[in-house]
Amino acid sequence: EIVLTQSPATLSMSPGERATLSCGASQSVSSTSLAWYQQKPGLAPRLLIYDASSRATGIPDRFSGSGSGTDFTLTISRLEPEDFAVYYCQQYGRSPWTFGQGTKVEIK
Amino acid sequence: EVQLLESGGGLVQPGGSLRLSCAASGFTFSSHAMNWVRQAPGKGLEWVSTITSSGGSTYYADSVKGRFAISRDNSRNTLYLQMNGLRVEDTAVYYCANGWGNLAYWGQGTLVTVSS
Repeated sequence: EIVLTQSPATLSMSPGERATLSCGASQSVSSTSLAWYQQKPGLAPRLLIYDASSRATGIPDRFSGSGSGTDFTLTISRLEPEDFAVYYCQQYGRSPWTFGQGTKVEIK
Repeated sequence: EVQLLESGGGLVQPGGSLRLSCAASGFTFSSHAMNWVRQAPGKGLEWVSTITSSGGSTYYADSVKGRFAISRDNSRNTLYLQMNGLRVEDTAVYYCANGWGNLAYWGQGTLVTVSS
């Protein structure tokens, strides 16, 4: 199975700063089949990005995704207070679909 | 508005069974693949199972293969997960989500606790 490794585990940032989250795959992810989700405590995950760089419906343009092959990035251009959460990447190019272990973006 | 509402979770002893349901509304249920994803307490997300829109094909994580069965009733807009032979390590919040690959909408989850 494809193992996804997210870094860093925790990102301490201030509102207004730019956040860069990484997701590395143990094998090449086909057809950029990679998604990013945001999860806040006690709530279900929310799809942010699919196909590596396409924003899901209703997602603000401060969220952007990039990458291909084995290296992917989620960028939040200017952190808003509601962006402090855990972020997961997921690959769906090869079964079984797998998730990264998550990156927590916390307030500095 | 898309809504997914899970039910059926609870406390069960090891070796026991539970059936989870997910009632869908706000989209054409019969046109979408559906999924179960779980999250153990304080842990990350784990894909569990997927069923195609017609129900003709099903897919499982190795950790649940042979014990869990996903199904759907398109006439009732409902997704199911039959869980047999439950283990302590199956304790988690179980989410249903729609989509093939990327999971666009998620329910609020239902907690399954396996403990003696």
